[in-house]
Amino acid sequence: DGGITQSPKYLFRKEGQNVTLSCEQNLNHDAMYWYRQDPGQGLRLIYYSQIVNDFQKGDIAEGYSVSREKKESFPLTVTSAQKNPTAFYLCASTPLAGLYNEQFFGPGTRLTVL
Amino acid sequence: QQPVQSPQAVILREGEDAVINCSSSKALYSVHWYRQKHGEAPVFLMILLKGGEQKGHEKISASFNEKKQQSSLYLTASQLSYSGTYFCGTVMEYGNKLVFGAGTILRVKS
Repeated sequence: DGGITQSPKYLFRKEGQNVTLSCEQNLNHDAMYWYRQDPGQGLRLIYYSQIVNDFQKGDIAEGYSVSREKKESFPLTVTSAQKNPTAFYLCASTPLAGLYNEQFFGPGTRLTVL
Repeated sequence: QQPVQSPQAVILREGEDAVINCSSSKALYSVHWYRQKHGEAPVFLMILLKGGEQKGHEKISASFNEKKQQSSLYLTASQLSYSGTYFCGTVMEYGNKLVFGAGTILRVKS
């Protein structure tokens, strides 16, 4: 079955540690996105990539980094510079670069900083 | 520019209707609607493009008023399965990002 997988589902980290969230898709989609969701709030865009080896900052990129070495993979690293990283992180993809398509979401990773 | 959704929350009984609004202060090219169950990923409902096109999805439909820069999501004869948080996402004309609203919590009671 085609889809987006995110791992792990739950992640705990100590303050000051970097952590990497995985996002893999087998939909052959060109564009991939990372969102952060806090309780009672909408989804805020962290980074997006429209093509391999290229990515752009979203609205809240500070304290995060990404890479896009393969079409199917778009990992997100939450660095120690992110002041309040506890949140629900969602990865999404679209068939083509652009904003006229349905976004397919992964199941999400809930990150808690202890 | 985050779109504004209203109401923030609504409680319905099964079979009742509801309307959720999504407004922007800027000219829009498209509006996306998603529904999210607690702890799960958002699920796509529909996209409306500039031009006032109305779309339907089972008993859920939506409209896009280009002049008012507003979209409305209509849920008719609500079912328990409609419960969740509804998000609109907007793309401004000449914009390059999809920006989501804060969401509307919908609860359907039996």
